[in-house]
Amino acid sequence: DSGVTQTPKHLITATGQRVTLRCSPRSGDLSVYWYQQSLDQGLQFLIQYYNGEERAKGNILERFSAQQFPDLHSELNLSSLELGDSALYFCASSPSPGIYTDTQYFGPGTRLTVL
Amino acid sequence: SQQGEEDPQALSIQEGENATMNCSYKTSINNLQWYRQNSGRGLVHLILIRSNEREKHSGRLRVTLDTSKKSSSLLITASRAADTASYFCATDGGGSNYKLTFGKGTLLTVNP
Repeated sequence: DSGVTQTPKHLITATGQRVTLRCSPRSGDLSVYWYQQSLDQGLQFLIQYYNGEERAKGNILERFSAQQFPDLHSELNLSSLELGDSALYFCASSPSPGIYTDTQYFGPGTRLTVL
Repeated sequence: SQQGEEDPQALSIQEGENATMNCSYKTSINNLQWYRQNSGRGLVHLILIRSNEREKHSGRLRVTLDTSKKSSSLLITASRAADTASYFCATDGGGSNYKLTFGKGTLLTVNP
């Protein structure tokens, strides 16, 4: 158990809908990272937050957004869902702001299925 | 495209044998990490090797890094069925680019 929690575990929804994925980092970790894992694209970095502020951006679509709250939990919002958004979404956390390479601790993931 | 590319894509061995996986990357790096993922679950950090290190050990794991060839290898000795998983290398972009980029992974199957 990494100490990172994600909810829900599974999510099934329809195209065009909007969903919110939630992540609670390990106690004491200030950085939260979001990743998308699919068979064709592999594990893709989406976005990082550090202590409430966006720190780094990866291959995140404009239909996706994220935020980190004062209690350090984070939410990833996916809107206007398409079939291709079906994937495993992972959250990871680390102590540092990403000013140096850090070990990241991954949550168990949310499996999103868009029908 | 992926910064790190693992090779082979899949590897099947018998329990007790050694498993070697390779990773190649494209740009300079600060560090390279190896992670493990059991089917459909979160990734677990295994080991981090810095760009000025050539070899590192952790239990049954041995990682080497050759920055001149931009490659790394992960050796798992005396494999067990429980080692069955996908293994990923992750690299940053070097300099002040600390974002991790993961390869597509090697699927290791250890047969009892």
